[in-house]
Amino acid sequence: QTVVTQEPSFSVSPGGTVTLTCGLSSDSVSTGHYPSWYQQTPGQAPRTLIYSTDVRSFGVPDRFSGSFLGNKAALTITGAQADDESDYYCVVYMSSGIWVFGGGTKLTVV
Amino acid sequence: EVQLVQSGAEVKEPGATVKISCKVSGYTFTDYYVHWVQQAPGKGLEWMGLVDPEDGKTIYTENFQGRVTISADTSTDTAYMELGSLRSEDTAVYYCVTAYPDIVGSLQLWGQGTLVTVSS
Repeated sequence: QTVVTQEPSFSVSPGGTVTLTCGLSSDSVSTGHYPSWYQQTPGQAPRTLIYSTDVRSFGVPDRFSGSFLGNKAALTITGAQADDESDYYCVVYMSSGIWVFGGGTKLTVV
Repeated sequence: EVQLVQSGAEVKEPGATVKISCKVSGYTFTDYYVHWVQQAPGKGLEWMGLVDPEDGKTIYTENFQGRVTISADTSTDTAYMELGSLRSEDTAVYYCVTAYPDIVGSLQLWGQGTLVTVSS
């Protein structure tokens, strides 16, 4: 069974830059996996940040960007702010038609 | 404005079935997939499956295969997720998510979530 890997936790200083990654246990992430990224704060529904690798959803500030880093999808946050402290999830599309979420990364801004 | 409005919280006994609705507005319902996602308390997101409202075709993840039924009613622009043989581990918030406006079908706009509590 496909496992999507994310760093369990990460910390960044206010104003700093952080890159979170999203990998596959047995493959490289590619454009055909249409990787997407979501931000979730406690008690709230997730919010879509990035889809199809690097397309920013409507209203998402350009501090958030998507790309590839090696064989993984990546979400980069530049100029980190206090309210970026959230859980971040990626999801990838598999050729069988299913979508698989990563376990999420808890980002702390300190 | 695109909106996904889900039905209210449910409390069910083990072994029962729950059916959650997701009323969609603001775009053509049949043009985009609707996904369903589970989030257990303190846990991550788990994709359950999707429906193509245009033809009713569904895809489910193996983890829920056989227990979940996702459907769409084009007369009311409403998607449904029915989960049977409930057990305590199914206590979770369930989200519907539309693929609008992504033609690839990725998860885009989220409903507010529906809490299902399974308890005797």
